[in-house]
Amino acid sequence: DVKVTQSSRYLVKRTGEKVFLECVQDMDHENMFWYRQDPGLGLRLIYFSYDVKMKEKGDIPEGYSVSREKKERFSLILESASTNQTSMYLCASSHGMNTQYFGPGTRLTVL
Amino acid sequence: GENVEQHPSTLSVQEGDSAVIKCTYSDSASNYFPWYKQELGKRPQLIIDIRSNVGEKKDQRIAVTLNKTAKHFSLHITETQPEDSAVYFCAASRGSYIPTFGRGTSLIVHP
Repeated sequence: DVKVTQSSRYLVKRTGEKVFLECVQDMDHENMFWYRQDPGLGLRLIYFSYDVKMKEKGDIPEGYSVSREKKERFSLILESASTNQTSMYLCASSHGMNTQYFGPGTRLTVL
Repeated sequence: GENVEQHPSTLSVQEGDSAVIKCTYSDSASNYFPWYKQELGKRPQLIIDIRSNVGEKKDQRIAVTLNKTAKHFSLHITETQPEDSAVYFCAASRGSYIPTFGRGTSLIVHP
């Protein structure tokens, strides 16, 4: 079974803090994704990576950056957290643009 | 780019009834259409998918139909059970393009 893990299930940070969310997959997938999930808005793509050190902006990249130094690991970085970044963050991976395998999610609260 | 509309946003049914969720897409070149189920507090997981060379696919109580001419596809759940209660997401993709998700449908099955 594909396993996608995320570093934290719940995270509470203060406005202005730098926040790191980490995602690890064990199936050698080339594609990895970071989504933000908010009620009524579905899954919105923040960033996508199709290979090590490669990244593409999604629909809502503002305020976020990413890092992919190893194939299995994809990190989402909030340089200076703001209250409007309070949300559920989901990581996913896939081989080709087919089935996506999601992590359990990180619920981030920014106070 | 691709645009996916999903309806309804909320669907309430009695146990044993059928449920139908519909999605329309804009890119006629889209050729892969997965459906994901997200139970409360859990990660989205693929439940069924269909490719554009097939008009219908069934798996026990769930089925997906695709109408390429009208550019819409639907998820059908028969004999609904309380454990079918979840948020369902449709998606559309083609080739190397990133999948586009619908906003989700919250299905509530009343015992």
